[in-house]
Amino acid sequence: GENVEQHPSTLSVQEGDSAVIKCTYSDSASNYFPWYKQELGKRPQLIIDIRSNVGEKKDQRIAVTLNKTAKHFSLHITETQPEDSAVYFCAASKAGGYQKVTFGTGTKLQVIP
Amino acid sequence: DADVTQTPRNRITKTGKRIMLECSQTKGHDRMYWYRQDPGLGLRLIYYSFDVKDINKGEISDGYSVSRQAQAKFSLSLESAIPNQTALYFCATSDRNEQFFGPGTRLTVL
Repeated sequence: GENVEQHPSTLSVQEGDSAVIKCTYSDSASNYFPWYKQELGKRPQLIIDIRSNVGEKKDQRIAVTLNKTAKHFSLHITETQPEDSAVYFCAASKAGGYQKVTFGTGTKLQVIP
Repeated sequence: DADVTQTPRNRITKTGKRIMLECSQTKGHDRMYWYRQDPGLGLRLIYYSFDVKDINKGEISDGYSVSRQAQAKFSLSLESAIPNQTALYFCATSDRNEQFFGPGTRLTVL
């Protein structure tokens, strides 16, 4: 089955700096890679996703890149703000159809004002 | 997201007790999932169901069972709770790709 590894487990950055979280996956058939944000005491929520037919996707201050050959994908947050402090989960699955999702172990991001 | 609800939100129980966690959704999704969250271990899949007659084990199903009573309801049971089942439990639904999580149930087994 799919195995998703995520690094680092914790990350502290100064407000305004960039943050990068990296994930690798094992199943070459996976083609959908979402990222979820979980604020303290809240449920995880989807913030951005990417499919294997594109290499990069941006949404305002967040972006995700995908390297299919190396089987890794990354989340980039620019101009970090205190409200970006949360736990971020990467995940991998096969798009559409009836497929389960495999999550990474999470990264706790702290943005220091 | 009020479309996915879980009851109870918090529960403290003793070793050996039977516990049921309930999940309901009004999103009309066929697919429902149960995860547990532990610090440093992320979200691990316990069971999942793609329709009322479909039940599948996830990566950590031992010690758990589920029931899909209707499209909108998916219950998780711990037949005989043990302390290492202390965790935060999330129910989720999906239509195609995005997972929609419930608010979570914090379970403590003493």
